[in-house]
Parts: sequence; structure tokens; C-alpha cells
Amino acid sequence: DAKTTQPPSMDCAEGRAANLPCNHSTISGNEYVYWYRQIHSQGPQYIIHGLKNNETNEMASLIITEDRKSSTLILPHATLRDTAVYYCIVSPRVIYNQGGKLIFGQGTELSVKP
Amino acid sequence: DARVTQTPRHKVTEMGQEVTMRCQPILGHNTVFWYRQTMMQGLELLAYFRNRAPLDDSGMPKDRFSAEMPDATLATLKIQPSEPRDSAVYFCASGLGGTQETQYFGPGTRLLVL
Repeated sequence: DAKTTQPPSMDCAEGRAANLPCNHSTISGNEYVYWYRQIHSQGPQYIIHGLKNNETNEMASLIITEDRKSSTLILPHATLRDTAVYYCIVSPRVIYNQGGKLIFGQGTELSVKP
Repeated sequence: DARVTQTPRHKVTEMGQEVTMRCQPILGHNTVFWYRQTMMQGLELLAYFRNRAPLDDSGMPKDRFSAEMPDATLATLKIQPSEPRDSAVYFCASGLGGTQETQYFGPGTRLLVL
């Protein structure tokens, strides 16, 4: 599975956009980019995923570069409740009952400050 | 709001005792994952099942850990005998399956082995 690289920590002012980068230069064609976050003392929470097109949902937007070697998770208006560790994970498409597992790295600790 | 449930939420036990953790996946989900989280190692995948069949348990210490799915609504993770190094938070996650495996995590079981 492709490896990802994220900055260990970032700060963001409340109400501003939080842009979290992720490098996945060895990603292969059948691998999706997933983002999860973990708020302190809770289980990880799914945010968004994509293959090659940009994606948006009620939580965030995911921008994937054309060469797919990097991506950015955007929280458009960060709040204090968005303070968490954000994980960028690359995982292959499930084929013939194989795949689907997530390998978590160290993630980016995002601190949203008032 | 469908959620993964885990019991117990907290467990303190003595070294050598058997520990059983239970997980109820979201109704209709056919994939169940077990993870362990420690400060040193982060989030590690222990094992996962699809349609109740074990697919991968390579992350699990085989001599003392066992994972089963007696039925579609219950997954169990047992440690026998437990050791202090097993102290961690154990998360269960479930997913719908398909080509893109989005996982929904439970609140975790915090285990302390004295």
C-alpha cells in the first residue's frame, strides 16, 4: 500500500479555512485517498475519500492533484470542535474480497484556536 | 443514527486473566475491523472479517489473541492470558463492503492490564 506523508502539526484560527496537505507520491491507479480524523478520546471518524476527482461533502472538500501524488483536505470554516488528529490514508479498491484495510500513520494534529 | 457499539468501555484486569471485548457492527454492514491504539505504536490493524470470514489477522499476536464473529451482529476479541503490554484502546469498526471500504468506528474499549 502507498505511504503518505503529513506535517505533524498545524494551527488554524477559528472561522478560517484549514488546509491540510498530504503527499502520496507512490499511489497507484486503483488506490483511493481517504481522510479520517480522531478527536481526543474518541474513535476515528470518516471524513471524505476520492479517487482522482475533487470531492465535497458536508464536512470538507478534498482536492487531489492531477498526477494524484498529493491531496489537500479543506475544512472551509474551522471551529474549535475541529481540533483533532487528521489522517490521510491511501487504500486500494476492494477486489474479489481483498483489500479495504486502512493503515494509519501519525497524522496531522490540527489545533483550532479562538 | 446507527453506530458501532463496543463493550465494555473500560476494563481493568490483572496479568494472566482472560479479557473479552465485544463489538456490535452497524446493522447491514458486512465488514468488521479490530484496531489497537497505543501512544507508542499509534493505530494498528489487528484483524478483519468480511461476511463473518476472517480475511487478515496478520497484525494480531497469535499466541494470545483470538478474534471471532459468532454471528453477523457480534464480533469478539479475546486475550488469554493478558499481559501489561496489552494495555491499549481497542477499536472496532464496521463497513458496508463494496469497492470502497468506508469504516465507521466504535468508541473503543480502554484496557489496563496490571
